Amino acid sequence: GENVEQHPSTLSVQEGDSAVIKCTYSDSASNYFPWYKQELGKRPQLIIDIRSNVGEKKDQRIAVTLNKTAKHFSLHITETQPEDSAVYFCAASNVNAGGTSYGKLTFGQGTILTVHP
Amino acid sequence: EAGVTQFPSHSVIEKGQTVTLRCDPISGHDNLYWYRRVMGKEIKFLLHFVKESKQDESGMPNNRFLAERTGGTYSTLKVQPAELEDSGVYFCASSHLRTGGTQYFGPGTRLLVL
Repeated sequence: GENVEQHPSTLSVQEGDSAVIKCTYSDSASNYFPWYKQELGKRPQLIIDIRSNVGEKKDQRIAVTLNKTAKHFSLHITETQPEDSAVYFCAASNVNAGGTSYGKLTFGQGTILTVHP
Repeated sequence: EAGVTQFPSHSVIEKGQTVTLRCDPISGHDNLYWYRRVMGKEIKFLLHFVKESKQDESGMPNNRFLAERTGGTYSTLKVQPAELEDSGVYFCASSHLRTGGTQYFGPGTRLLVL
């Protein structure tokens, strides 16, 4: 089955700095890679996702890159703010070719991001 | 649009007791997933319903866990009898069949087995 490794487990940055979280996956059939942000005591919220036919996707201060050959993908947060502090999870899944939602998410271990003012 | 809801938000029970968790997915979402996060570890898949049918239950730990989704709407996850290692946060997620995988999570049920 799929295995997702996420690093680092904790990340501390100063406000305004950039933060990068990296994940690797094992199953070459995985083709959908979402990132979730979970604030303390709240539900995981999807912040960005990328599919295997795209190498990079950006949404304001957040970007995700995907290297299918190396089987790794990364989350980049620029100009970090204290409200970015949370646990971030990467995940991998296999969505079938018809676009029909299918299949479980396999999560990484999570990264605790702390942004110091 | 209302999000995924779960009940109860917290549950504290003793070893050997039974607990039933409920999940109401987003209206119209045929896919419903259960996940669990044990303290400090990753979120792990338990099972996946498509409408009322179990599509994948490969993550269910053992036969003390029983999930149902009668009528293809809400789902329940029953743990009977509960053991100490069942403690954790149980999340439910749902997705539409045609949104290509985007899963929306509920707030979770925090289960503590003493």
